[in-house]
Amino acid sequence: GAVVSQHPSRVICKSGTSVKIECRSLDFQATTMFWYRQFPKKSLMLMATSNEGSKATYEQGVEKDKFLINHASLTLSTLTVTSAHPEDSSFYICSVSEGSRPAADTQYFGPGTRLTVL
Amino acid sequence: AQTVTQSQPEMSVQEAETVTLSCTYDTSESNYYLFWYKQPPSRQMILVIRQEAYKQQNATENRFSVNFQKAAKSFSLKISDSQLGDTAMYFCAFSRNYKLTFGKGTLLTVNP
Repeated sequence: GAVVSQHPSRVICKSGTSVKIECRSLDFQATTMFWYRQFPKKSLMLMATSNEGSKATYEQGVEKDKFLINHASLTLSTLTVTSAHPEDSSFYICSVSEGSRPAADTQYFGPGTRLTVL
Repeated sequence: AQTVTQSQPEMSVQEAETVTLSCTYDTSESNYYLFWYKQPPSRQMILVIRQEAYKQQNATENRFSVNFQKAAKSFSLKISDSQLGDTAMYFCAFSRNYKLTFGKGTLLTVNP
């Protein structure tokens, strides 16, 4: 399966600052990447679908001006949490889709980023 | 909209024994994928097994196998010869057009 990295793995920031999280597909070119949020002991909630070279598609209820997504290349997507507040504290996970391969719907996940906003 | 239901919030099994995790889903689609992912304490999501809805044969991956009942919209995971490293949260997921919908998860504990 695909190998996905995320950086940083853990970040602590002050309220009002912005934080950028990187997601990289290490072994193939991903035209589509996904961003999820996971609260403690809860399931994953899809935030947005990131498409290389075009605007991300956000799920209902997700503020696109607060969670900025950029998919500038086939191996890198970034999530920027702008003007972070304590309620944005969460575990953020990215994934990549195998796309046109036979297992097109299969997603492989990065290790996640734990964001804590003080 | 698709929904995925995992009715067992927690389960436990003795090492070397077999355990079955339940999953049901609701969809009006005929072509889709179903997955089981595990999330150990490290929180890394790991693909366990995948099933294409158009395939009648149940998928298997070493000690992991599924019982896919399309008409009943049921997709259970059987873990044979359970190992301590199988301790994790297990998520059942439905996918259609690349969009994954997850169940709430089942926390499986393998006891020595």
